[in-house]
Amino acid sequence: AQSVTQLDSQVPVFEEAPVELRCNYSSSVSVYLFWYVQYPNQGLQLLLKYLSGSTLVESINGFEAEFNKSQTSFHLRKPSVHISDTAEYFCAVTGGGGSNYKLTFGKGTLLTVNP
Amino acid sequence: DVKVTQSSRYLVKRTGEKVFLECVQDMDHENMFWYRQDPGLGLRLIYFSYDVKMKEKGDIPEGYSVSREKKERFSLILESASTNQTSMYLCASSFWVRGANVLTFGAGSRLTVL
Repeated sequence: AQSVTQLDSQVPVFEEAPVELRCNYSSSVSVYLFWYVQYPNQGLQLLLKYLSGSTLVESINGFEAEFNKSQTSFHLRKPSVHISDTAEYFCAVTGGGGSNYKLTFGKGTLLTVNP
Repeated sequence: DVKVTQSSRYLVKRTGEKVFLECVQDMDHENMFWYRQDPGLGLRLIYFSYDVKMKEKGDIPEGYSVSREKKERFSLILESASTNQTSMYLCASSFWVRGANVLTFGAGSRLTVL
């Protein structure tokens, strides 16, 4: 079985400050990891994903996440946030083998960027 | 871009009514999913389908059924709606990238059961 823990349910920050949203996972098989973002009254959009290769992955809008196998983590970071980054962020994991249809989500972290 | 379209953004139904939530994708994806989203609980998988007429239960299938008669369409059915089914429902379709199942979501359908 696989599970995802997002350690913070809410993260308030000021504009232009750095931010880290934490995500830890558990899985008995090799994993693929994702971050999705949900803006108010919208569905989820894929922000970035780790499938294989370089452990550091980046999105087009300045977010990055690093896959750390020894710590079973996939934390999301941005060096300087904007008001428009206010949204809920979901970490998700899917495994290899017969279980990989299913994407398991964390409970989400609400990022609020204040002026 | 893949488009996943959910036919209703907001619905209000009464207890005991039969409810249909429709989802259509336009990229010929084989896999489709229904999730339920509740505050503090994140997303929970209700059902998924990996082919026409094929379906698999997710984590919380009780009280729901699904139908996939055509590849592009995946319907979620609440046979007799109850107030505890008030929620946001998210449909997704997916494709395979290097062995990983990558999901694209629709905008969601917010259902209120009175």
